[in-house]
Amino acid sequence: ELKVEQNPLFLSMQEGKNYTIYCNYSTTSDRLYWYRQDPGKSLESLFVLLSNGAVKQEGRLMASLDTKARLSTLHITAAVHDLSATYFCAVDSFGNEKLTFGTGTRLTIIP
Amino acid sequence: DSGVTQTPKHLITATGQRVTLRCSPRSGDLSVYWYQQSLDQGLQFLIQYYNGEERAKGNILERFSAQQFPDLHSELNLSSLELGDSALYFCASSVGQPEPQYFGPGTRLLVL
Repeated sequence: ELKVEQNPLFLSMQEGKNYTIYCNYSTTSDRLYWYRQDPGKSLESLFVLLSNGAVKQEGRLMASLDTKARLSTLHITAAVHDLSATYFCAVDSFGNEKLTFGTGTRLTIIP
Repeated sequence: DSGVTQTPKHLITATGQRVTLRCSPRSGDLSVYWYQQSLDQGLQFLIQYYNGEERAKGNILERFSAQQFPDLHSELNLSSLELGDSALYFCASSVGQPEPQYFGPGTRLLVL
């Protein structure tokens, strides 16, 4: 059974600081997705990482994938309050479109 | 706005009752997925339909069923409701791998 673990579960950061969220998954997978969820809201797609070494950046967020280590990271640069949300990674595999989600990382940016 | 719509937004009902949740996918998306989000279980995949046919099943209880209609909208039916079924139910749609799944606003179900 595919398992996806994220850490930390909770992260409180000061504005302007950098930090990284980690996502580990248990079996070989072809694709990794990052989503953002604001409290009481839906999930918003952030990144799709399709191959080993893939790196994608959008604004202050950068995601990377190491399929050999079964690890993805979401790096936050110079955090701002608007980035406060819960971030989920999710994994599927070729021919199986079911997404298995991590536990989520609740990020709070403190002014 | 993802383009996926779900109704109703909120639903309050009693144990033992039956409810139907509705989802309309983004234009052009043939795949519809249902997920349940709760505090204790997190985000769990329930079921996927592709162009009217069931394609994958996850941790869906026998009391729950779903279908996708010719116009591609989907319904999730929850019956004999229990307190533990209280959760946020999301529908998502996609054109297929490797494109991401786009999530609707969700239906918040409260079973009293």
